[in-house]
Amino acid sequence: NAGVTQTPKFQVLKTGQSMTLQCAQDMNHEYMSWYRQDPGMGLRLIHYSVGAGITDQGEVPNGYNVSRSTTEDFPLRLLSAAPSQTSVYFCASRLTLAKNIQYFGAGTRLSVL
Amino acid sequence: AQKITQTQPGMFVQEKEAVTLDCTYDTSDQSYGLFWYKQPSSGEMIFLIYQGSYDEQNATEGRYSLNFQKARKSANLVISASQLGDSAMYFCAMSPGGAGSYQLTFGKGTKLSVIP
Repeated sequence: NAGVTQTPKFQVLKTGQSMTLQCAQDMNHEYMSWYRQDPGMGLRLIHYSVGAGITDQGEVPNGYNVSRSTTEDFPLRLLSAAPSQTSVYFCASRLTLAKNIQYFGAGTRLSVL
Repeated sequence: AQKITQTQPGMFVQEKEAVTLDCTYDTSDQSYGLFWYKQPSSGEMIFLIYQGSYDEQNATEGRYSLNFQKARKSANLVISASQLGDSAMYFCAMSPGGAGSYQLTFGKGTKLSVIP
């Protein structure tokens, strides 16, 4: 019962560095998404994917890239990290098409210095 | 555009008492879904309950119930018989209805503290 697995749990970067946040799910969910959570705010959608090879932008996509080569994996890339990207990042996947109930990973806490 | 408002930044409740967390929403969609998620101090987001806009009955899941008042655009979460483990942040969220709906719009959350 792994569900949605995110790695790493914590990461510290310097401004300008690049990194990839990993997300994997073992539930054969077609839909996956990335959100960020900033203090005092709810989650905001960064990018999402409705299936392998298909991605689209959410509310706050700038500074992030995604790709979806397999159903299981949906990595989020920061090409040149900025302090404004300090946040907690959540990956989610969806089971039921009609209800949009999404299941979240445990999150990655990222600090950009 | 959809908007979720949670007006209670923090709430306290005595253990074993019931508590209501407020959520109001704004949307021009006729079909939509309403959700509540729990975020304990460990950080994960846990799905609690779902209510569809066309559902006639209020949703219930164990000790959780959703008080859905469509005309008032409110979707309050009621937790009965509070437990210490209920202490957490609670987020209300909504989504457009229909098969092509992907984005969840979240409120800013309410921090619930259960007092022994």
